[in-house]
Amino acid sequence: QQPVQSPQAVILREGEDAVINCSSSKALYSVHWYRQKHGEAPVFLMILLKGGEQKGHEKISASFNEKKQQSSLYLTASQLSYSGTYFCGTERSGGSNYKLTFGKGTLLTVNP
Amino acid sequence: NAGVTQTPKFRVLKTGQSMTLLCAQDMNHEYMYWYRQDPGMGLRLIHYSVGEGTTAKGEVPDGYNVSRLKKQNFLLGLESAAPSQTSVYFCATTHKSGNTIYFGEGSWLTVV
Repeated sequence: QQPVQSPQAVILREGEDAVINCSSSKALYSVHWYRQKHGEAPVFLMILLKGGEQKGHEKISASFNEKKQQSSLYLTASQLSYSGTYFCGTERSGGSNYKLTFGKGTLLTVNP
Repeated sequence: NAGVTQTPKFRVLKTGQSMTLLCAQDMNHEYMYWYRQDPGMGLRLIHYSVGEGTTAKGEVPDGYNVSRLKKQNFLLGLESAAPSQTSVYFCATTHKSGNTIYFGEGSWLTVV
């Protein structure tokens, strides 16, 4: 079952902030975040493991609330290069095999 | 440093034809995946493998078959292509659960 991402799309002006959310109806072991530019492969941003951690990557950070089965990606002081589609991928807890299920994506457009 | 290589990158098939997509990785990863990406649907898992000689069904396995005869290769087959299989196909690999997933560059398939 795909995780649910919100919003589906967001438009920013350079320098503005954005939050992308990812929620699952199942208990999660990990959440992955990827960014994809048009016509290219998804590029890894970060992984968060259960335990309720928060990570940062330059001006992009993320949190993982294991109890709520939710993760959020925070983009601060957005740059033109941040434009693209952001995907969260989730791995469920308790699985014996590793499967990453992706959400439908959030299209982020950063304008000058 | 090739990473994950997919062949072919582009292909046009007629309805009913068969073809095989090859994914090759040089990172000695155990887990390999085939995803398809369609507009507005995100990345959907077709089949995956957790080791040489093993395969398992993902979310959308119908119409596809896979094989993992060698650890470094994961083949995706379409026995009788249908227009509904027009899509972008991504191969991905990872070492183990909770690790970064690496994507190939994608294969654009059109079935007419």
